[in-house]
Amino acid sequence: AQSVAQPEDQVNVAEGNPLTVKCTYSVSGNPYLFWYVQYPNRGLQFLLKYITGDNLVKGSYGFEAEFNKSQTSFHLKKPSALVSDSALYFCAVRDEGNTPLVFGKGTRLSVIA
Amino acid sequence: NAGVTQTPKFQVLKTGQSMTLQCAQDMNHEYMSWYRQDPGMGLRLIHYSVGAGITDQGEVPNGYNVSRSTTEDFPLRLLSAAPSQTSVYFCASSYFVGTTGELFFGEGSRLTVL
Repeated sequence: AQSVAQPEDQVNVAEGNPLTVKCTYSVSGNPYLFWYVQYPNRGLQFLLKYITGDNLVKGSYGFEAEFNKSQTSFHLKKPSALVSDSALYFCAVRDEGNTPLVFGKGTRLSVIA
Repeated sequence: NAGVTQTPKFQVLKTGQSMTLQCAQDMNHEYMSWYRQDPGMGLRLIHYSVGAGITDQGEVPNGYNVSRSTTEDFPLRLLSAAPSQTSVYFCASSYFVGTTGELFFGEGSRLTVL
């Protein structure tokens, strides 16, 4: 069965600095990887996904993620953090075939002005 | 388009009461699912459906029932509410579980069981 781990409950970064939110995964086949963001009292919003191809995936709001097959990681990155990026971020993975999406426990990002 | 609509947004129940959380989508998505979100636990899958008339259990199905009589609707029923079911519930849909498409989420239903 597929699984995903987000090793950090909280990430703090100063505004203007680069940010990284970590994610590692486990699947039996080729992974389909996703990042979602949740703002307070809202549903989850899709940021980006990796299906195949280029290991560096670009998404919404200036975010990008790097797929690393050898390290089974899919870390979320942004070159310059904004205070408005403060939110809860979820990594998710789906295995090949008709399998549901499995989410990590989430990482709370706090960007300090 | 409205997307995924959940009702009610807030509900307080007493232990033993039953209720239904409604979920409707207007995107003609085949796949629909219910997650619960609890602090420190992330999102956990309760039930899902790959099309009308087809449902399956997720990670935490006990205490919940679902049905899928139409493509648009996927209600979640709590048969006899327990305090452990206090949570925020999210409905999500996508074109099909086997595709590479992303999930679209509703705004959530916050349930408190006393």
